[in-house]
Amino acid sequence: QSALTQPASVSGSPGQSITISCTGNSSDVGSYNLVSWYQQYPGKAPKLMLFEVSKRPSGVSDRFSGSKSGNTASLTISGLQAEDEAEYHCCAYAGSSNYVFGSATKVTVL
Amino acid sequence: EVQLVESGGGLVQPGGTLSVSCAASGFSISSYWMHWVRQAPGKGLVWVSRIKRDGTTTTYADAVTGRFTVSRDNAKNMLYLQMNSLRVEDTAVYYCARSSGRGDGFDPWGQGTLVTVSS
Repeated sequence: QSALTQPASVSGSPGQSITISCTGNSSDVGSYNLVSWYQQYPGKAPKLMLFEVSKRPSGVSDRFSGSKSGNTASLTISGLQAEDEAEYHCCAYAGSSNYVFGSATKVTVL
Repeated sequence: EVQLVESGGGLVQPGGTLSVSCAASGFSISSYWMHWVRQAPGKGLVWVSRIKRDGTTTTYADAVTGRFTVSRDNAKNMLYLQMNSLRVEDTAVYYCARSSGRGDGFDPWGQGTLVTVSS
């Protein structure tokens, strides 16, 4: 399984919206609405931000939203804040109980 | 508080063996699928393995199939990963995480344990 493709970095100013893409293929992202997103600060464990493409776990800000079109899923952060500066990873179910993560995106708040 | 704590990481020579553990608290792992995910230094996350609630079904990433074995002890609320024939490229922080099913995400994660394979 090849890693899902994410941009290496995305940046934005406070208050702006940014979108991170996550591109897979018809066997993973395109086959199932089972994409999740994780936020990770340096030296820390990942934190679940979205699951099943667009569902937010309890406690996650509604500034985080997700969508999917074809083989590409997207994470949008609205009203960008300094605390959003972190690395973001997407993950897709790839069938047969396998999962594949993305290549990770570093978000910088300017 | 729901918590996962990994242990057992360390330095091992190529070709060696190591076992890492994950202790769960605040919930019963018997109700959840459990996973191992690793992250090489400066790299992205890579899913490694999954074990179903009763331990009867396990799945592995191609890179570790035949070398790694995941197991669980629901009575002790523990998850394990036995790693054999270790390679330099297995060097990573190993995280355990839970999920309720196929696609509801991995949550929470442990703090990770570092496995270094080097001569």
